[in-house]
Amino acid sequence: GNSVTQMEGPVTLSEEAFLTINCTYTATGYPSLFWYVQYPGEGLQLLLKATKADDKGSNKGFEATYRKETTSFHLEKGSVQVSDSAVYFCALNRMNYGGSQGNLIFGKGTKLSVKP
Amino acid sequence: NAGVTQTPKFQVLKTGQSMTLQCAQDMNHNSMYWYRQDPGMGLRLIYYSASEGTTDKGEVPNGYNVSRLNKREFSLRLESAAPSQTSVYFCASSARDRYEQYFGPGTRLTVT
Repeated sequence: GNSVTQMEGPVTLSEEAFLTINCTYTATGYPSLFWYVQYPGEGLQLLLKATKADDKGSNKGFEATYRKETTSFHLEKGSVQVSDSAVYFCALNRMNYGGSQGNLIFGKGTKLSVKP
Repeated sequence: NAGVTQTPKFQVLKTGQSMTLQCAQDMNHNSMYWYRQDPGMGLRLIYYSASEGTTDKGEVPNGYNVSRLNKREFSLRLESAAPSQTSVYFCASSARDRYEQYFGPGTRLTVT
């Protein structure tokens, strides 16, 4: 079945450090891939997405490339800020789930803490 | 444009009490979802509604019921709350033929 595996956290970085959060997936067909971010006490927000192989999603300095050959969608940022401290979730859509196209499968989340 | 709204934000229940969590979206989305979030478990789908008038069970439906009241509103009911239902509950919605979901701010529920 479809699944998403994220690197376990927490991840602690100093401000301006380079960030990578690994995400790999298993899926039938060609799912769309997503990164969501959850700031403390808030709901999840869509950070970026990619809908086909080799697509690069980007937003707020974050990037992720849909790699079909390695079934990966790693999240990167060149220089993190304290305000990036949050939990990051990788997700893919589950195809043909009960007829709904909108169901997402989430990884368990990776908590990022950025120290000044 | 408020997006997805949820009420209440916080709730404390005693075991055996009932309550309904409310969710509404103003984006004219067809599909709506209820998730629960527990430490170390990520997000788990409780119920979803692909369109007005339909509902389906997700991964963890036991102990819950839902009602898709109209296109905007999707409520989650706990008939007899149990401590195992202590969690943060999120409602989400998505447009027809689009996969990305938009989330509400969550309801933090404690059952004692």
